[in-house]
Amino acid sequence: NAGVTQTPKFRILKIGQSMTLQCTQDMNHNYMYWYRQDPGMGLKLIYYSVGAGITDKGEVPNGYNVSRSTTEDFPLRLELAAPSQTSVYFCASSGTVYEQYFGPGTRLTVT
Amino acid sequence: AQSVTQPDIHITVSEGASLELRCNYSYGATPYLFWYVQSPGQGLQLLLKYFSGDTLVQGIKGFEAEFKRSQSSFNLRKPSVHWSDAAEYFCAVGSAGETSYDKVIFGPGTSLSVIP
Repeated sequence: NAGVTQTPKFRILKIGQSMTLQCTQDMNHNYMYWYRQDPGMGLKLIYYSVGAGITDKGEVPNGYNVSRSTTEDFPLRLELAAPSQTSVYFCASSGTVYEQYFGPGTRLTVT
Repeated sequence: AQSVTQPDIHITVSEGASLELRCNYSYGATPYLFWYVQSPGQGLQLLLKYFSGDTLVQGIKGFEAEFKRSQSSFNLRKPSVHWSDAAEYFCAVGSAGETSYDKVIFGPGTSLSVIP
């Protein structure tokens, strides 16, 4: 099993551009999450999903959108990128809510 | 509101020395508690978890943690640190939220350096 995979690993965006961060899991987990990690701030939840077709906002959803059309995939969309979205983004999944498995992350820079 | 604090931003220990990383939480009921480790450039990996029962829990890589309700703490320990333990460590608490989603709240992390 590959676990949770994320693409791309690195990306540089210009202000105002848009992009999609991809996340796929092969563990048949119902729960999936997107976090951002900023230095000294821990992880902040952006969006989560409890199953295909069901998504909801986390702590810091502004500027992001998600969709969950399949159990495996949970892409994160950034519209009109801003410097404040420079961060490391982690996707995670879990079969139960608490035991989360993380992908390797995407390092995004907006300039 | 639930919260997690890790008082130590950065800790340096010598290889072979013992280690204790501190974690305090704020939560009204019995929490679900976790420690995750993040190696450089990697995602987070679950080290251990506490749900109920024995307050001393064993995890992977020789780590253990003790839940102390009276102190609202869940400190991580290792008797002898290896150079490969250098990483970022995150304490987390699972809370039953007001919505249908039971969420996990992460602390800010403690960075561990190991001196050969």
